[in-house]
Amino acid sequence: GAGVSQSPRYKVAKRGQDVALRCDPISGHVSLFWYQQALGQGPEFLTYFQNEAQLDKSGLPSDRFFAERPEGSVSTLKIQRTQQEDSAVYLCASSLGTSRIETQYFGPGTRLLVL
Amino acid sequence: RKEVEQDPGPFNVPEGATVAFNCTYSNSASQSFFWYRQDCRKEPKLLMSVYSSGNEDGRFTAQLNRASQYISLLIRDSKLSDSATYLCVVNTNAGKSTFGDGTTLTVKP
Repeated sequence: GAGVSQSPRYKVAKRGQDVALRCDPISGHVSLFWYQQALGQGPEFLTYFQNEAQLDKSGLPSDRFFAERPEGSVSTLKIQRTQQEDSAVYLCASSLGTSRIETQYFGPGTRLLVL
Repeated sequence: RKEVEQDPGPFNVPEGATVAFNCTYSNSASQSFFWYRQDCRKEPKLLMSVYSSGNEDGRFTAQLNRASQYISLLIRDSKLSDSATYLCVVNTNAGKSTFGDGTTLTVKP
């Protein structure tokens, strides 16, 4: 069956450019997560959605980062006025329910390079 | 200090060896615990959940010590295909997972 998909897989942006990263979770999954993973580090939590509601955005590093999931399925992570420190892999994950013991299924990530 | 800490390694072991990874967490309110595996340039995938009583899945054994806020993963009879980065994950609530930076394992013939 289809897993979590993300697009684009690779994105090169010039400093100051806006980017939009898309996540298609597994169909029917209620929970959706965004993470940022820098080279040599583990994924860092950015934000969490339960259906269309953004319940936790405590990990977003600045107000340049914005995420939405308007219909409770596809989600978009937008980064405005990109900076070089935004270069990282952005991972999306989904889980079936809302329990804290749920398995998270990750997409392949979007590798963002800001020049 | 990070909320979840792991020895980064790398661990270089021969095939057939037994290797153990440790992970400590600082938030005593943590409720659930996992080990994920991440291959180079790939996404993390769940290896196993960690239960209070300890649990085993084939060659893999996970242990949790809540009093010491410590989690371990033991791999027996290492295979070449076990080479990867192992991520310790701690959840305090349904919405937020905190990952360690991972321990890198290389199994050599």
